[in-house]
Amino acid sequence: DAGITQSPRHKVTETGTPVTLRCHQTENHRYMYWYRQDPGHGLRLIHYSYGVKDTDKGEVSDGYSVSRSKTEDFLLTLESATSSQTSVYFCAISEGVPGEQFFGPGTRLTVL
Amino acid sequence: SQELEQSPQSLIVQEGKNLTINCTSSKTLYGLYWYKQKYGEGLIFLMMLQKGGEEKSHEKITAKLDEKKQQSSLHITASQPSHAGIYLCGADRAGSYQLTFGKGTKLSVIP
Repeated sequence: DAGITQSPRHKVTETGTPVTLRCHQTENHRYMYWYRQDPGHGLRLIHYSYGVKDTDKGEVSDGYSVSRSKTEDFLLTLESATSSQTSVYFCAISEGVPGEQFFGPGTRLTVL
Repeated sequence: SQELEQSPQSLIVQEGKNLTINCTSSKTLYGLYWYKQKYGEGLIFLMMLQKGGEEKSHEKITAKLDEKKQQSSLHITASQPSHAGIYLCGADRAGSYQLTFGKGTKLSVIP
């Protein structure tokens, strides 16, 4: 299995609070991605990174920011969490072949 | 954006039966990827198809790409309870590292 972890695995927070999710990889892969998965919407890309300090927006980036200061870490921040951001968040990594992505175990976030 | 329609949305089959899941794109397909997800877990990469007519197999799972129809099919032969889960197709756009996913097909296999 690809060495990719996410923390925390579960989080409950209140509306308006900042939240940061962490994705850590030990594979030295160049590309990293943040997705959210919701019933009826499937898996949607939030942001992705194609190198250290190089990031770009995905399909549903509003309300989210990311940072990548090291190859192995990709952080997703919700500056002011809203109930619509309750979801399961997945991090993924890839190297060379964009589509062959390896996924982390996911973080279940609940915003009350 | 690339739209991927999967059918059926859910499927219940008896163990030992064959089944097919389809993924149809509204735009030109460049690369088509199949993933499997077990409940509460991340996605596991199954196969990637890039050329029209390409067919790949992994154990009892076969995937084909029909470029003209902009469609891919995933066929499972002699299904087993271990095949149960959600199957998702993903597609990329030319020059992009982003993947767009279908909403998934939930497969249940009854022993």
